[in-house]
Amino acid sequence: NAGVTQTPKFRVLKTGQSMTLLCAQDMNHEYMYWYRQDPGMGLRLIHYSVGEGTTAKGEVPDGYNVSRLKKQNFLLGLESAAPSQTSVYFCASSGQAMGVSETQYFGPGTRLLVL
Amino acid sequence: AQSVTQPDIHITVSEGASLELRCNYSYGATPYLFWYVQSPGQGLQLLLKYFSGDTLVQGIKGFEAEFKRSQSSFNLRKPSVHWSDAAEYFCAVVPFSGNTPLVFGKGTRLSVIA
Repeated sequence: NAGVTQTPKFRVLKTGQSMTLLCAQDMNHEYMYWYRQDPGMGLRLIHYSVGEGTTAKGEVPDGYNVSRLKKQNFLLGLESAAPSQTSVYFCASSGQAMGVSETQYFGPGTRLLVL
Repeated sequence: AQSVTQPDIHITVSEGASLELRCNYSYGATPYLFWYVQSPGQGLQLLLKYFSGDTLVQGIKGFEAEFKRSQSSFNLRKPSVHWSDAAEYFCAVVPFSGNTPLVFGKGTRLSVIA
């Protein structure tokens, strides 16, 4: 079992460019999440999904879009990158419920630098 | 506003010394409580969690945490710290409002010195 994997590990973008971050899990989990981590801010939820074909906004959704076309994949898109989106992005998944009694499993992170 | 507070941004302890990391929450009802650890360059790993019952919870790597309702706290402890415990520690809660996402504290960075 690979668990939760993220692609790419590191990326540099110029302001205005677009990109997609890929998260994949092989644990057959229903719930998936995208967080961003900034120094001194902890983890903040961007978007999440409670199942294939569903998405919902988290705490800081602006400037991001997501899609969950397949149960095992959760994509995070930046349509027009801004320097404020420089961050480390973490994907996570959980089996039954959104945090309640279920452990969230985290990927290793994607470090994004927007110039 | 409802929140999770970790008062200590950075703590340094000597190897072999005891450790206590503080976490307070400001939700009206008792939330579900978690502690996660993040080693440098890694994702987060669950240390322990509390939902109900015994207020002293045992976790992995020799960590434990105690829920104190009167103080709205869920402090993480370890009797003897090892150099490999150097990491960032996050307290997180699921507010007792149904199926809602985790809310993370801002983290406490632990350094261990010889």
